[in-house]
Amino acid sequence: AQSVTQLDSQVPVFEEAPVELRCNYSSSVSVYLFWYVQYPNQGLQLLLKYLSGSTLVKGINGFEAEFNKSQTSFHLRKPSVHISDTAEYFCAVKPVSSASKIIFGSGTRLSIRP
Amino acid sequence: NAGVTQTPKFRVLKTGQSMTLLCAQDMNHEYMYWYRQDPGMGLRLIHYSVGEGTTAKGEVPDGYNVSRLKKQNFLLGLESAAPSQTSVYFCASSYSLAATNEKLFFGSGTQLSVL
Repeated sequence: AQSVTQLDSQVPVFEEAPVELRCNYSSSVSVYLFWYVQYPNQGLQLLLKYLSGSTLVKGINGFEAEFNKSQTSFHLRKPSVHISDTAEYFCAVKPVSSASKIIFGSGTRLSIRP
Repeated sequence: NAGVTQTPKFRVLKTGQSMTLLCAQDMNHEYMYWYRQDPGMGLRLIHYSVGEGTTAKGEVPDGYNVSRLKKQNFLLGLESAAPSQTSVYFCASSYSLAATNEKLFFGSGTQLSVL
C-alpha cells in the first residue's frame, strides 16, 4: 500500500519570501508523484508531476519540486510567493500500474501575508 | 469547453433523506472518480469507474452507490444520508491511468450538509 504525508497543515509566509511545502511518501513499488493546487472555492488543478527522468520538475506559476528517492520525498518550492498563491496544496502518489489509483495527502494550506 | 461539471453546487439534507450528485465530463475520458474532502484528511476516494458500465469501490465506499450508464456521466447516490456524510464532494476524470500524461481533471465541488 502507498501513503502520503504532508507534515505541515498550514504554512504562513510573507509575500515575496521563499516557501517549501513538504511531502513524504511510502511505497514498496515505483510511483508517479504529483502536486495539485486548490484555490478557494475551486476544484483541484495539476501544478506539476514527476513521471521519470530529471528529478527537478518545474510546474506552473513558478513552482518546482524535487524528487528524492532515497528520502522518499517530493517537496514543493517557490523562490518568491505572491498573494495569488494563497491556496491549499496537495501532494499525491500513484503506483506505476494501470490498475492503481492516485492517493492524496491531507493538504497544506499556504497563506501569504502582505 | 466545460470540462467536468458537477450539480448541484450546494445541498442541505435531513438525516435519512436521499439524493444524487451528478458529474458530467465532455472530454471523452474513460476514468471517473468521486472523492470526498474533509478538513485535515485531504481527498478520499469513494468510488471510481474505469469505463461505461463499470464501477469499483474506493477507500470509503460505505453509504454511497454509483452508476456509470453513459461514458460522460458518473452519478453518486446517498440512499439514507447521515451527518457523517457532511463533506465537500469532488468528481474527477482522466483519460487513462496508464497514460504518461497522468492528470486528473476536477469539478468545482458540491458542498453537502446533512442535519
